[in-house]
Amino acid sequence: GAGVSQTPSNKVTEKGKYVELRCDPISGHTALYWYRQSLGQGPEFLIYFQGTGAADDSGLPNDRFFAVRPEGSVSTLKIQRTERGDSAVYLCASRLGQLTDTQYFGPGTRLTVL
Amino acid sequence: AQSVTQLGSHVSVSEGALVLLRCNYSSSVPPYLFWYVQYPNQGLQLLLKYTTGATLVKGINGFEAEFKKSETSFHLTKPSAHMSDAAEYFCAVSAASSGSARQLTFGSGTQLTVLP
Repeated sequence: GAGVSQTPSNKVTEKGKYVELRCDPISGHTALYWYRQSLGQGPEFLIYFQGTGAADDSGLPNDRFFAVRPEGSVSTLKIQRTERGDSAVYLCASRLGQLTDTQYFGPGTRLTVL
Repeated sequence: AQSVTQLGSHVSVSEGALVLLRCNYSSSVPPYLFWYVQYPNQGLQLLLKYTTGATLVKGINGFEAEFKKSETSFHLTKPSAHMSDAAEYFCAVSAASSGSARQLTFGSGTQLTVLP
């Protein structure tokens, strides 16, 4: 079956612009995560959705970052007033449900802020 | 709070030699432990995981890891390295509680090079 997909695969933007990154989880997976991976580092947690609601957004670095999952499937990570420090690979992962433990990762979106 | 330390950001082994990648964790609650592999320009792929039960877990591609609670370790091994094993490896921990977000906390990764 299809895995987690993310679009675009690459995004180049200018400092101060707004960007949206999309994640399509595995069909039927109720849990969805966003992580950010900076060069040479492991991924860092940003936000977790269980269904439509953001159950844990403690990893969002500041209020320029926001994510939605309006129908409990596709999620969009939104970054306002981008800064050069936002350049990273943004990874999405999904998990089947609350009683399961394995997260399946998408290929990521590489964001470059010039 | 949870954290993961991976000793050695770069490890080189000869083809056919033992692979040992070290991971130590810290967790205030019972942990679930994972090893993921990342090939260039690809997403993370699960190699193996420990949740409950047997502390020696086997994964894909001949890898295995042993959960040692007393040492807070979860080292990854493979008896004989192949060229195709060259990649970056990440150890991760999450809380075992079903009521939590179970977000993964990752180490900083170990780049494995396999020499011919």
